[in-house]
Amino acid sequence: GQNIDQPTEMTATEGAIVQINCTYQTSGFNGLFWYQQHAGEAPTFLSYNVLDGLEEKGRFSSFLSRSKGYSYLLLKELQMKDSASYLCASMDSNYQLIWGAGTKLIIKP
Amino acid sequence: GAVVSQHPSWVICKSGTSVKIECRSLDFQATTMFWYRQFPKQSLMLMATSNEGSKATYEQGVEKDKFLINHASLTLSTLTVTSAHPEDSSFYICSARELETYTEAFFGQGTRLTVV
Repeated sequence: GQNIDQPTEMTATEGAIVQINCTYQTSGFNGLFWYQQHAGEAPTFLSYNVLDGLEEKGRFSSFLSRSKGYSYLLLKELQMKDSASYLCASMDSNYQLIWGAGTKLIIKP
Repeated sequence: GAVVSQHPSWVICKSGTSVKIECRSLDFQATTMFWYRQFPKQSLMLMATSNEGSKATYEQGVEKDKFLINHASLTLSTLTVTSAHPEDSSFYICSARELETYTEAFFGQGTRLTVV
């Protein structure tokens, strides 16, 4: 079956770094997405990885290892506004997104 | 990035009535649109995949006669919740993909439906 695993909740301190891990098992693979979702709002796109390695985009970076079925989202210089849920999604062979349950990130001052 | 507009943002309706939610791709053509439902503190649950000019594909457990989906053009898909009940109260979100690519999915703003 298809499955996406990510931690339910994480807590970090303002100004620090946090890494949110995601493991996936899907029928075929056409890329790994990370989305940010604030409470009561729709998800917003953060990153897309289809090749192995690290993609850096400002304070956010995303890593992919296809052989391990593993990705992580790295957030640096955390700000209070980064408090949100972070959704990992894998695109399967039918180009359908398989969503993880999301990781709620709590930032403390 | 591309823009997807979803309307209304929130709606309150009486039990037994029907509610229509619109999802429009404003600056691109979307062959495929997806309708999700999200309950509090849970992830997105795919309800159905809507393809322009053809019948929607519903996920297991989603009643197609209750959640009517129409994708009449490359820029508009609608979801109608028929005979709504309080248990249908949820956050409904649409997303769309561009004609030329199957990568990034662009999301509408979401619709908060409350059935009283």
